[in-house]
Amino acid sequence: GAVVSQHPSWVICKSGTSVKIECRSLDFQATTMFWYRQFPKQSLMLMATSNEGSKATYEQGVEKDKFLINHASLTLSTLTVTSAHPEDSSFYICSAKLAEVYNEQFFGPGTRLTVL
Amino acid sequence: KNEVEQSPQNLTAQEGEFITINCSYSVGISALHWLQQHPGGGIVSLFMLSSGKKKHGRLIATINIQEKHSSLHITASHPRDSAVYICAVRGLIQGAQKLVFGQGTRLTINP
Repeated sequence: GAVVSQHPSWVICKSGTSVKIECRSLDFQATTMFWYRQFPKQSLMLMATSNEGSKATYEQGVEKDKFLINHASLTLSTLTVTSAHPEDSSFYICSAKLAEVYNEQFFGPGTRLTVL
Repeated sequence: KNEVEQSPQNLTAQEGEFITINCSYSVGISALHWLQQHPGGGIVSLFMLSSGKKKHGRLIATINIQEKHSSLHITASHPRDSAVYICAVRGLIQGAQKLVFGQGTRLTINP
């Protein structure tokens, strides 16, 4: 099946720094990418939907100035956690939807962020 | 009440047992996904269904659109099947993009 990669797979940073997470669709073009956040033993929570070349649509309660999303190409979306704080520590997962197949969606391996 | 309900929430079984995980949803859908999440965190898409039944190896997924219900079956279960299994649905609204997730079923297969 289609492959979605994320980089880095884990990151530890100091409070106040910014962290960028990359999400790439490796063998297909993704017009839409999704960013999720997952707390321990909970299900995925959608943060934002990102369409290539346009501004991301954020879910209610998600600060767009804190979680900057850029979807510059059909194969790359980035999530930047700005001025990270310990409460931002979480597992971040991206997902990409195939342009050609309406309902098909593939998930990245996730990035574990720990803010000290 | 959540739009997507899974049962059971936790399931422990012995190696070799036949496993069934259920998913019920309350909205009209265009597709239903079964996902697997291992302890390391990465999510693998197992199946995408809009009708009928799909089989891949020891995994079988069925869906009954009229009853708004899907099941995931694992035959000859193995300890490596231990993971969280998540059901997710996509709504019928034209252009609907979001998946709505169930709370997951934590499966443990003991050797």
